[in-house]
Amino acid sequence: QAQLRESGPGLVKPSETLSLTCSVSGFSISTGYYWGWIRQSPGKGLEWIGSIFYSGVAHYNPSLRSRVTVSVDTSKNQISLNLRSVTAADTAIFYCAKSHGGNDLGWFDPWGQGVQVTVSS
Amino acid sequence: QSLLAQPPSVSGAPGQRVTMSCTGSGSNIGAGYDVHWYQQLPGTAPKLLIYANNKRPSGVPDRFSASKSGASASLAISGLQAEDEADYYCQSYDLSLRVVFGGGTKLTVL
Repeated sequence: QAQLRESGPGLVKPSETLSLTCSVSGFSISTGYYWGWIRQSPGKGLEWIGSIFYSGVAHYNPSLRSRVTVSVDTSKNQISLNLRSVTAADTAIFYCAKSHGGNDLGWFDPWGQGVQVTVSS
Repeated sequence: QSLLAQPPSVSGAPGQRVTMSCTGSGSNIGAGYDVHWYQQLPGTAPKLLIYANNKRPSGVPDRFSASKSGASASLAISGLQAEDEADYYCQSYDLSLRVVFGGGTKLTVL
């Protein structure tokens, strides 16, 4: 069973780039599967950000596509998220999760514990 | 505004059966895409509860069941327990090329 752990700065200034890493243990990313990023704004629901296959093929939420890059580093067994030009509206808990499914990206299991990121000057 | 509509809240007494809905459209659930359900206990990450419309992962009690019909899906919890108090989210895929989540339903055990 894969275990996922998100890490990164808890505070990012407006207009800067939010960068997070998801470290995967107990499972080799190179085995396959998509790996996704999901965020949850304070008191709000879940929003899918994007998902990436171990080969590097990525899919993004159209509403965030212009600002998001998701990448994979199989040598480190990690997935990364870059979200550019952040505003206060990007303040959220960010989760990474293993995705099960095909073209519809399936379901997410397991999830990391999440990392809180606040956008503020 | 989520593409999948869920009631903001439902409630029930211990031992009762509660259901909650997830209403989509012809561009997501109605297009044939599977529905998945997650339970989020306070202060924790979401946990997979049901996948592929009605399948329970190992370890999920059979008190939890789900179904899908047309452009909607529903989650049922029988024999309600205090520990079931949580937020519940449905998830599917949309023809706009995105994974979509419902807005979530807060379950209160009375």
